[in-house]
Formats: sequence, structure tokens, C-alpha cells
Amino acid sequence: RKEVEQDPGPFNVPEGATVAFNCTYSNSASQSFFWYRQDCRKEPKLLMSVYSSGNEDGRFTAQLNRASQYISLLIRDSKLSDSATYLCVVLTGTGGFKTIFGAGTRLFVKA
Amino acid sequence: GAGVSQSPSNKVTEKGKDVELRCDPISGHTALYWYRQSLGQGLEFLIYFQGNSAPDKSGLPSDRFSAERTGGSVSTLTIQRTQQEDSAVYLCASSLSRGLVANYGYTFGSGTRLTVV
Repeated sequence: RKEVEQDPGPFNVPEGATVAFNCTYSNSASQSFFWYRQDCRKEPKLLMSVYSSGNEDGRFTAQLNRASQYISLLIRDSKLSDSATYLCVVLTGTGGFKTIFGAGTRLFVKA
Repeated sequence: GAGVSQSPSNKVTEKGKDVELRCDPISGHTALYWYRQSLGQGLEFLIYFQGNSAPDKSGLPSDRFSAERTGGSVSTLTIQRTQQEDSAVYLCASSLSRGLVANYGYTFGSGTRLTVV
């Protein structure tokens, strides 16, 4: 079993739709969680951190479920510009120093 | 500099040749990381530098891979006797310190796309 698993997709949604991605992690001692966005042939960029209480940034909401060991990303009112690959990132190990990147979920938003 | 700079952006090399990839981190960032991303795959950790020392080189796939960092700044990743399976995008990232990654994440360079033919 991979340490961090994501549904590779692709998710094809129309503009204005709400879409959600999940990411599961295997190490219950994992400490910090992030979502990164990666556009085609570009570097990953930090989208948002994921806090235990859940957090929102505009149209994006991230949640953490420690009991079930997954994090989620919800995108409301999808825009064409949201089309990208979304990477789940988990920090674990002593001091949270081991970083595992998921393989990503591809999202296509269509007009 | 304003961001993490990597060069070259693209490199095509013949199997068996050596290549050097360069990373110039954000000024003042003490932690520097090399990752590799193959097509459709997640990022694979290669090596981490704190200052000029590499406390974690556990991800280097073979002894053909080496890296150094000088002056607490620029880092070079060297691949000797390249093989076709080395073809990938090599990404460099930096952070103020490793401990702050948990708060602020990584800043990545745009990568070097290596193709071994």
C-alpha cells in the first residue's frame, strides 16, 4: 500500500460545478498536510495547508479526518483556470521531516 | 533571487554521459531539496541539504547520483553514466528551514527536464 494515495482521475467537470478530492495516508503519526497545485509541465505550488479544524480559502475548503486518515479538498464554483493536477502532501516522521507527495488528481474544468 | 532558479530547463543527453543540474535557491533559505518526478508519478525525494551538509541523502537511487551545495546557496545534482530510466523532471525546492516546511511548505523551481536517449 502506498503511503499516500490519491484517485488519479481525471475528473471532468463543467464550469460552476463543485468537485471534491480525497487523499488517504497510511501513517497515523503524520503531522502536517498540504494541497499543492501543479499545472501541466510546471512546478508544484502550495495551494493551502490543511488544519485539523478544517480551513477555507475562497472557493477552496480543506479538511482533515485523522480517525479515517484522509484529507479532502473541495472546490466550489469551478473555473476553467482550476484545471490542473492537485497533489496531496503529507509530512510525517520525527519532527515531521519526512514528506510524501501523492501522485496527484487531475482536474479538467470545461466551459 | 526572487524564486528558485534551475538550469538548464531542458537537457537531452546520450546514455552513458554525465550531466549536471543546477539549483539556485531563494536567498536566505537554508534548506534545499532535490526531487524527481517521472511522467504520471508523484514526486520522489532524492536529497536534502541544511546549509552545505546533506543530513538526508536516503533518496538517491544509486551511487551514480551525487549532489553538493556550496556557500549555503547553489546546489548541483550530478548524474554519472546516465541511463534511460533517469529520464524525468528534476525539481529543486527550498525553505527557510526544514522545520518551517510544516508551516509554509516548499517553494519549487521550474525544474530540469532530463531526457536520456
